Amino acid sequence: AQTVTQSQPEMSVQEAETVTLSCTYDTSESNYYLFWYKQPPSRQMILVIRQEAYKQQNATENRFSVNFQKAAKSFSLKISDSQLGDTAMYFCAFMKPPLPGNQFYFGTGTSLTVIP
Amino acid sequence: GAVVSQHPSWVICKSGTSVKIECRSLDFQATTMFWYRQFPKQSLMLMATSNEGSKATYEQGVEKDKFLINHASLTLSTLTVTSAHPEDSSFYICSARDWSGVGYNEQFFGPGTRLTVL
Repeated sequence: AQTVTQSQPEMSVQEAETVTLSCTYDTSESNYYLFWYKQPPSRQMILVIRQEAYKQQNATENRFSVNFQKAAKSFSLKISDSQLGDTAMYFCAFMKPPLPGNQFYFGTGTSLTVIP
Repeated sequence: GAVVSQHPSWVICKSGTSVKIECRSLDFQATTMFWYRQFPKQSLMLMATSNEGSKATYEQGVEKDKFLINHASLTLSTLTVTSAHPEDSSFYICSARDWSGVGYNEQFFGPGTRLTVL
């Protein structure tokens, strides 16, 4: 079974500062995908970033980057130059190879507050 | 990215009645759709996976007869909560995936439906 653990239920960061959200996972799969999703107060799930396990290079999307440590099964999200609009719940998620019925396994989430 | 809509966005019903929630993929054909339930300040819990034209696969602990899922077309899946009770009050989210068989296929989420059972 796949499990995803987010050990930080709540975090806060000053506007313009950098914050790192932690995520660890457990799997016996060798090929898989990892994700960070953002859920703002509107509750619409928004994909922040995706990492393919067979790629050694860490994914980046503008101010968002990940630190993917496959051997340690760690997948942290770094948000640089934090903005007020980054305030949201952040969910780390795991997915086995993209066969039609394969599902997300979500962590319990980290509530991030950006302080002006 | 592709768009997934849900209707209604918010519904209030009386205990004992049934409620239908629609999930539509607006600009792609969704061969697979997923239904999630989310309680306040908690994560998304997968309820069931449905493939177009076949019966849904329910997660352990989810009552098939209570949460009826129909995926009759490539753009529409419905979740019907039958004989709703206050404990069914929750936020229900659908997601849809277009399976092309090549590489990674993005999964898109709907905006969710808030169900309140009085």
